[in-house]
Amino acid sequence: GIQVEQSPPDLILQEGANSTLRCNFSDSVNNLQWFHQNPWGQLINLFYIPSGTKQNGRLSATTVATERYSLLYISSSQTTDSGVYFCAVGLAGANSKLTFGKGITLSVRP
Amino acid sequence: GAGVSQSPRYKVTKRGQDVALRCDPISGHVSLYWYRQALGQGPEFLTYFNYEAQQDKSGLPNDRFSAERPEGSISTLTIQRTEQRDSAMYRCASSFFNSPLHFGNGTRLTVT
Repeated sequence: GIQVEQSPPDLILQEGANSTLRCNFSDSVNNLQWFHQNPWGQLINLFYIPSGTKQNGRLSATTVATERYSLLYISSSQTTDSGVYFCAVGLAGANSKLTFGKGITLSVRP
Repeated sequence: GAGVSQSPRYKVTKRGQDVALRCDPISGHVSLYWYRQALGQGPEFLTYFNYEAQQDKSGLPNDRFSAERPEGSISTLTIQRTEQRDSAMYRCASSFFNSPLHFGNGTRLTVT
């Protein structure tokens, strides 16, 4: 099956710093989504981004499907950004199973 | 409803008992997914439905696991003869065609 690798596995930031989270995948995908799991365990969809670039406030994401990677940018980080960030990919459009990476644990310190 | 609703929030059961986990998706969402998440890991696909039809059940670990969505809305994931290794967070998600996946808060299952 498709392999999803996220890096770095852990990240510690001072509040206000910027960061880049990376997701590499092993096959061509038609579906890529980024999620944030907060410290209370809720899994929140950040972006549906099989290709191109999107921005939502302090967060933005870019997927280069031909090179099989996606990047999530967090600017001016806040303590509420802490948690685990998952990249998930799928092969056949939105209505098919997503394979998740192991996640990146982000801690933002005040 | 406003979001994906799962019940119960927590379930503790004894080994060998059957459990049924419920998922009420976002109104109008065609697709419904079940995932399982172990501590420190990403969610792992179990099965999904479009309307009432089960499209893919390749992630169900064995025949003790089954799922249904008889009217194309609420879904039930059933685990028969539970074992300790079944302990995990079970997450349900829903989506409309070609749209982001929205997860519920999950059911934390503990088998003692």
